[in-house]
Amino acid sequence: SQKIEQNSEALNIQEGKTATLTCNYTNYSPAYLQWYRQDPGRGPVFLLLIRENEKEKRKERLKVTFDTTLKQSLFHITASQPADSATYLCALGGYGQNFVFGPGTRLSVLP
Amino acid sequence: DGGITQSPKYLFRKEGQNVTLSCEQNLNHDAMYWYRQDPGQGLRLIYYSQIVNDFQKGDIAEGYSVSREKKESFPLTVTSAQKNPTAFYLCASHQGWNTGELFFGEGSRLTVL
Repeated sequence: SQKIEQNSEALNIQEGKTATLTCNYTNYSPAYLQWYRQDPGRGPVFLLLIRENEKEKRKERLKVTFDTTLKQSLFHITASQPADSATYLCALGGYGQNFVFGPGTRLSVLP
Repeated sequence: DGGITQSPKYLFRKEGQNVTLSCEQNLNHDAMYWYRQDPGQGLRLIYYSQIVNDFQKGDIAEGYSVSREKKESFPLTVTSAQKNPTAFYLCASHQGWNTGELFFGEGSRLTVL
């Protein structure tokens, strides 16, 4: 069955450092991979989408890589701030396929 | 502003009661989804609808029912047959497979007393 794992349930880093979150998947051939941010008690908010033929995508302080051979995506937040503290979800999608979500990584950026 | 509105935000239910969660969108999206979120687990798909008057079961549809009589609305009923209904429920909509982005509501937290 399809499975998505995110590197750890929680990640603590110091303000100003780069946070790196990992998403690994098995038994799936996604057309794209997405990252969402979710704050406590709120709905997820879309951040970035990267397609299977793309290696890297950037948006402001965010960077996503996608390696379909390793079946892995890395999500980086550079110059992290306490306001970046949230849970980050990865999701796989494809044309005509329902989205599959990972369990999320709770990021805490410490001042 | 366009978006998805879920209500109520918090809901308490006694065992044996059915409850209905509302989801309305003004994004003109054809596809709508209901997910359940439990601590430590990814979002799990309950039901989805690609078009008005049509919907499909997701991975955990047992004990739930939906309707899609209007494009804007996709209510979810949690029936008494759902054995463990306490959870955070999320409604989402989707513009199309090519864009990929899911738009979520703010969620409804259901607690069974």
